[in-house]
Amino acid sequence: QVQLQQWGAGLLKPSETLSLTCAVYGGSVSAYYWSWIRQPPGKGLEWIGEINHSGSTNYNPSLKTRVTISVDTSKNQFSLKLSSVTAADTAVYYCARFGQVVYYYYALDVWGQGTTVTVSS
Amino acid sequence: DIQMTQSPSSLSASVGDRVTITCRASQSISSYLNWYQQKPGKAPNLLIYVVSSLQSGVPSRFSGSGSGTAFTLTISSLQPEDFATYYCQQTYSTPQTFGQGTKVEIK
Repeated sequence: QVQLQQWGAGLLKPSETLSLTCAVYGGSVSAYYWSWIRQPPGKGLEWIGEINHSGSTNYNPSLKTRVTISVDTSKNQFSLKLSSVTAADTAVYYCARFGQVVYYYYALDVWGQGTTVTVSS
Repeated sequence: DIQMTQSPSSLSASVGDRVTITCRASQSISSYLNWYQQKPGKAPNLLIYVVSSLQSGVPSRFSGSGSGTAFTLTISSLQPEDFATYYCQQTYSTPQTFGQGTKVEIK
């Protein structure tokens, strides 16, 4: 059974770069797409972007200029970097697998535990 | 971006009640519609994919229906463990987008 474990800095100052990593256990990062999603306090879910094993990425246009998602197949991990953070980036950040549930359909079927990131001066 | 709008935003119901949550897309998304359940302090959990297919381990009291732009999630008989927030999600086009959530509370 695939499990995701994520980690990274939880407290940042404005203008710093958020950096999170998600490790894949019980499966290989060389299959499917791997995603990042965030949830501001008391609010809904926002998709940040995704990557596959070959490094092909898709980003949310609202964050595209500041986001980089990368993959390290040798470590079976993928990572998120978000530059120039502000208080508006304060959120719980989740990694997730965008898995093929049937035929051409995909869903976020495995999630990490979430990392709370606070941006404050 | 495709906008997903859920209604209601919250509801109060009793154990045993039938609950229906609606999700509308700003354009047709065919059957690219998933539902997630989120409990406080936890990651979301995939409940239903492709409109009506139950994820493994999800009780049969949950069901989904719809197509195109209008979708529903139904809980046939609400159980104590079902009190949570529910989100719909479209994967028809990038960026994936979610509804704003429906919080199901105890009456």
